[in-house]
Amino acid sequence: NAGVMQNPRHLVRRRGQEARLRCSPMKGHSHVYWYRQLPEEGLKFMVYLQKENIIDESGMPKERFSAEFPKEGPSILRIQQVVRGDSAAYFCASSPYTGGRVTEAFFGQGTRLTVV
Amino acid sequence: TQLLEQSPQFLSIQEGENLTVYCNSSSVFSSLQWYRQEPGEGPVLLVTVVTGGEVKKLKRLTFQFGDARKDSSLHITAAQPGDTGLYLCAGAGQAGTALIFGKGTTLSVSS
Repeated sequence: NAGVMQNPRHLVRRRGQEARLRCSPMKGHSHVYWYRQLPEEGLKFMVYLQKENIIDESGMPKERFSAEFPKEGPSILRIQQVVRGDSAAYFCASSPYTGGRVTEAFFGQGTRLTVV
Repeated sequence: TQLLEQSPQFLSIQEGENLTVYCNSSSVFSSLQWYRQEPGEGPVLLVTVVTGGEVKKLKRLTFQFGDARKDSSLHITAAQPGDTGLYLCAGAGQAGTALIFGKGTTLSVSS
């Protein structure tokens, strides 16, 4: 009964490089969310995706950041030309949301990105 | 913009004490969740409350959803060192939308 799987757990990138963060949702979940967490700032919503569709990207910076959730394979959060301010823990969550009133999300262990 | 305010931000208590943390908003939520997060790990879902006035118990933890579905509280009885962690509340304004999180309450329980 695998949970949400994120990889890598730790990622170090030099300024200007690209960072690719992967997330495999729980089995049967077709909704994926990405959050960013900085110390003492809580979890900031970035983007909400369904298979092959972006539902809400209102929390994602318009430049350098992109996300996808293809029909096959994991969801990918891509950060191009990373800067030191991108250093943070990035969490992925998945949901079995099927149209009811409840939205529950189950989180992975996160990817800690360090930009040097 | 929906906001969830959590208080207190930090709480340091002795083993055996009781405590309550709060999650407040001016917005109505279709459901509200409480999560607990330990350092280096992802948040773990503790409970979901849906109905205004609802009370749920999970061993020594009691969760309450406000009548108007705008606020919630978490009460821990006889806290233990294993309760140490970051407690986060999260809500969705409408079902099917992304969860918005409060900044959390960092709880430290010493023996």
